[in-house]
Amino acid sequence: KQEVTQIPAALSVPEGENLVLNCSFTDSAIYNLQWFRQDPGKGLTSLLLIQSSQREQTSGRLNASLDKSSGRSTLYIAASQPGDSATYLCAVLTYGNNRLAFGKGNQVVVIP
Amino acid sequence: DGGITQSPKYLFRKEGQNVTLSCEQNLNHDAMYWYRQDPGQGLRLIYYSQIVNDFQKGDIAEGYSVSREKKESFPLTVTSAQKNPTAFYLCASSIGLGVSGNTEAFFGQGTRLTVV
Repeated sequence: KQEVTQIPAALSVPEGENLVLNCSFTDSAIYNLQWFRQDPGKGLTSLLLIQSSQREQTSGRLNASLDKSSGRSTLYIAASQPGDSATYLCAVLTYGNNRLAFGKGNQVVVIP
Repeated sequence: DGGITQSPKYLFRKEGQNVTLSCEQNLNHDAMYWYRQDPGQGLRLIYYSQIVNDFQKGDIAEGYSVSREKKESFPLTVTSAQKNPTAFYLCASSIGLGVSGNTEAFFGQGTRLTVV
């Protein structure tokens, strides 16, 4: 069974610093990995999708890398802003398992 | 606008009642999913459907039922058999596994269910 871990559960950074969020997974036979953002009481917003054949994806200030062999992905958010405060979740879709497996998320607070 | 619409946003259920949560998508996606989110537990899969008129149980299906009569609709019924239904429920959809790797999932805004 695919296990997805995100550590730490919560972190605070001063505005302007770069954010680095880590996601690890136990089964490297994945179709893809997806990063989401969730604001309190809201649904999930898709940030980036990395397919298994890709090493990274970029969108604006966001960059996500994927090292499938070591079971790791990292989400970088450059020059963090207070509006980046949210919970960030990663999820993987594994071969032979038609469902996303989620980590519990990183709750981020960007301090002005 | 294309997307996933969940309704209602808030729902209150009395003990012993069945309630139905609505999920509609206009993205022409084949696959649809229902998740439950509890504090500290992450998202857990209740049911999913890869195609119309077919669905499978997820990890916590007991006390829930679904139907998939139309491609765009995937309602979830929380029955009286669900002992602890208070939670945040999220519906999602994706193209489906027919397109290898390109299975980006999109989520609705959620329904918060409370037992009173």
